[in-house]
Amino acid sequence: DAKTTQPPSMDCAEGRAANLPCNHSTISGNEYVYWYRQIHSQGPQYIIHGLKNNETNEMASLIITEDRKSSTLILPHATLRDTAVYYCIVRVATGNQFYFGTGTSLTVIP
Amino acid sequence: DTGVSQDPRHKITKRGQNVTFRCDPISEHNRLYWYRQTLGQGPEFLTYFQNEAQLEKSRLLSDRFSAERPKGSFSTLEIQRTEQGDSAMYLCASSLEFRIRSYEQYFGPGTRLTVT
Repeated sequence: DAKTTQPPSMDCAEGRAANLPCNHSTISGNEYVYWYRQIHSQGPQYIIHGLKNNETNEMASLIITEDRKSSTLILPHATLRDTAVYYCIVRVATGNQFYFGTGTSLTVIP
Repeated sequence: DTGVSQDPRHKITKRGQNVTFRCDPISEHNRLYWYRQTLGQGPEFLTYFQNEAQLEKSRLLSDRFSAERPKGSFSTLEIQRTEQGDSAMYLCASSLEFRIRSYEQYFGPGTRLTVT
């Protein structure tokens, strides 16, 4: 069921931008790209989602390539509290469940 | 706090016992989901409700599992005759699905079940 590929782990220095990549080469035209994160022992937290345009909110920016086969989540100024597992998910608009995969474990280093 | 809540947060039970978990979604949300998460893995879908109707079940939801959402508000997930393999975090999420839109799901803190 996995439709995305993410690196298993990444490090980022505190205060620097964290760029988390995701490949979704088989994405369909009606599938959105979602990002969630999960801090240890907590439920997943919604971050951002997009269809084909780049998106920005108070937490992050989502850059989707023109062919939509990959995307990058950008945390502009990483803090220690951003240490978490980040999940990239694709889902159709009328879909029900999310397929989470194993995500990228991001460690922000002081 | 008007987020998704789950009760209990932790449950330790002996193999063979029955357990029941409760989830209270965000009040205006019409969809409610149950997921299971084991160590080192992402959450896996179990089932979901649209209002009080259970519309989809995963093959992970064995006959020992049953979920209800009797009035379209809170939901319960019951596991009968628990097995050690049922040890996991059980997550509840809710969303507002209206027409054809892609609404995000909001997750609760989870119930961690340990079967001894």
